Amino acid sequence: SAVISQKPSRDICQRGTSLTIQCQVDSQVTMMFWYRQQPGQSLTLIATANQGSEATYESGFVIDKFPISRPNLTFSTLTVSNMSPEDSSIYLCSAVGGGDTEAFFGQGTRLTVV
Amino acid sequence: DAKTTQPPSMDCAEGRAANLPCNHSTISGNEYVYWYRQIHSQGPQYIIHGLKNNETNEMASLIITEDRKSSTLILPHATLRDTAVYYCIVRVYGSARQLTFGSGTQLTVLP
Repeated sequence: SAVISQKPSRDICQRGTSLTIQCQVDSQVTMMFWYRQQPGQSLTLIATANQGSEATYESGFVIDKFPISRPNLTFSTLTVSNMSPEDSSIYLCSAVGGGDTEAFFGQGTRLTVV
Repeated sequence: DAKTTQPPSMDCAEGRAANLPCNHSTISGNEYVYWYRQIHSQGPQYIIHGLKNNETNEMASLIITEDRKSSTLILPHATLRDTAVYYCIVRVYGSARQLTFGSGTQLTVLP
């Protein structure tokens, strides 16, 4: 099974600023994803992080607000830009290996925007 | 992916079996049933998956009805550490795609 490390685990940020979240997987994976979990809610997919190319965003999420990078098979970053209190959520990185392996998740980044 | 329906919450006494139901009446033939759980303040954790046969691993058992329109996750001897939100997800086998999470079932194991 893959182990996913996310940094930071939590942060409190001022509105209008940006935060970059890092996701490191300990083995090569096929797919990497970013999810958002708003308070008391389920997980919502933000985007699929594509290696070496632009991420694929879900409806309601745009690159200008959530730029994503994936420079190699094991690392990805998500930036939450120009933050507002509505961005206060847990952001989770997920990865899937080759074949029909289960998805693994990081512990999440708990973001509070004040 | 087919939609799933789960009860919002359930309680279970510690040491007893926890049976968590899931309805997936629109499941198609190539879709598997997956279960994940999310313990408070942690990322989701894979539990088990199956197609049509009952499955068992060290964590749980998965019972899928013959018509595959519903399933039950069984935690045979629930402990306080099993308190979590349990998600039933249907997805195509072999597709390295994202998971679509519903609202899940909050299982509370009571002492």
